[in-house]
Amino acid sequence: DVKVTQSSRYLVKRTGEKVFLECVQDMDHENMFWYRQDPGLGLRLIYFSYDVKMKEKGDIPEGYSVSREKKERFSLILESASTNQTSMYLCASSTFGAGQETQYFGPGTRLLVL
Amino acid sequence: GESVGLHLPTLSVQEGDNSIINCAYSNSASDYFIWYKQESGKGPQFIIDIRSNMDKRQGQRVTVLLNKTVKHLSLQIAATQPGDSAVYFCAENIYGSEKLVFGKGTKLTVNP
Repeated sequence: DVKVTQSSRYLVKRTGEKVFLECVQDMDHENMFWYRQDPGLGLRLIYFSYDVKMKEKGDIPEGYSVSREKKERFSLILESASTNQTSMYLCASSTFGAGQETQYFGPGTRLLVL
Repeated sequence: GESVGLHLPTLSVQEGDNSIINCAYSNSASDYFIWYKQESGKGPQFIIDIRSNMDKRQGQRVTVLLNKTVKHLSLQIAATQPGDSAVYFCAENIYGSEKLVFGKGTKLTVNP
């Protein structure tokens, strides 16, 4: 079974704080993704990574950065948290190649920025 | 904009009935589709997938139908159970891309 874990289930931070969300997958997947999920807006892609030290912007990268120093770990960073970044954050991973596009998700981190 | 959408945002069924959840997509280049189930407070869970060279695929109590002519995807759940209550959403993959495009979801409620 694919396992994707996220460092925190719930997180409360203050405006202006630097926030780190960690994601780890144990299936040696090349691709990793960060989404945010908001009511009525569905899943929106923030950043993704094809390989170690590689990253690509998704649809809503503003206010976020990412880091992928090891293949199994993909971190999402909020440099200066703002209240409009209150959301559910989901990490996913997939392997590379045609026929392997299924993404497997972690349990999510619900972030509240006060 | 969103290329994968839903026909109904909510669906309520009686336990034991069959459920049908619909999804429309707009990109003709999409060649792979996935249905996910998301229970409250949890991450999306893979249910079933289908490639564009197929019209139908069956799993355990679930069937996915693909109509490429009208760009429509549906998920059928047989003998719906209370544990099936969740948000279901479809996702499409455009050929050559590693990304998925997700629909906004349909909330399924199963009444005992």
